[in-house]
Amino acid sequence: NAGVTQTPKFQVLKTGQSMTLQCAQDMNHNSMYWYRQDPGMGLRLIYYSASEGTTDKGEVPNGYNVSRLNKREFSLRLESAAPSQTSVYFCASSPGLVTNEQFFGPGTRLTVL
Amino acid sequence: KQEVTQIPAALSVPEGENLVLNCSFTDSAIYNLQWFRQDPGKGLTSLLLIQSSQREQTSGRLNASLDKSSGRSTLYIAASQPGDSATYLCAVTNSGGSNYKLTFGKGTLLTVNP
Repeated sequence: NAGVTQTPKFQVLKTGQSMTLQCAQDMNHNSMYWYRQDPGMGLRLIYYSASEGTTDKGEVPNGYNVSRLNKREFSLRLESAAPSQTSVYFCASSPGLVTNEQFFGPGTRLTVL
Repeated sequence: KQEVTQIPAALSVPEGENLVLNCSFTDSAIYNLQWFRQDPGKGLTSLLLIQSSQREQTSGRLNASLDKSSGRSTLYIAASQPGDSATYLCAVTNSGGSNYKLTFGKGTLLTVNP
């Protein structure tokens, strides 16, 4: 039981490049989330998926897209990376939306030059 | 707009001391409040989840309380150990409207000295 896994762990991009961050959970959770963590800003929600087949914007969705591929997997795509997207990205999951405890992955450290 | 504040931003204590971390929030219409621990370079580990109808939750040496009406929560750590050194984050889930919203505080960096 690996919990929430994320790939890659580290990534360096040049401005304008695209990439997809992968997230998977093996806890049979319905809800999944993407956050970014920046010094002095704390954790902020980018997108979430309440259940398979649905996605919604969080606090800072601009510049990102998501796909809930199936119940296990939730990916985050940067179409044209910008230096402002340099951050640590965390994926999380929970049994259901709102009332349940969230479980986090180890994070992806992304640098955009 | 919900705002979550954690005080102090950093705390250093000797091993064995009991300590309290504080979290306050501006909008009391919450579903729940969750306390997390984050070690350097790692993800978040959930410590305790308090539903809005509850007053406190306990797990081992940890006790979290919630006073929704005053917008406050505390995390009490008994008999602190060097292994407790980490950043502690609180987060609230809001219940207003149709959109889900989870707001984090910026954390308290705890150092427990042997």
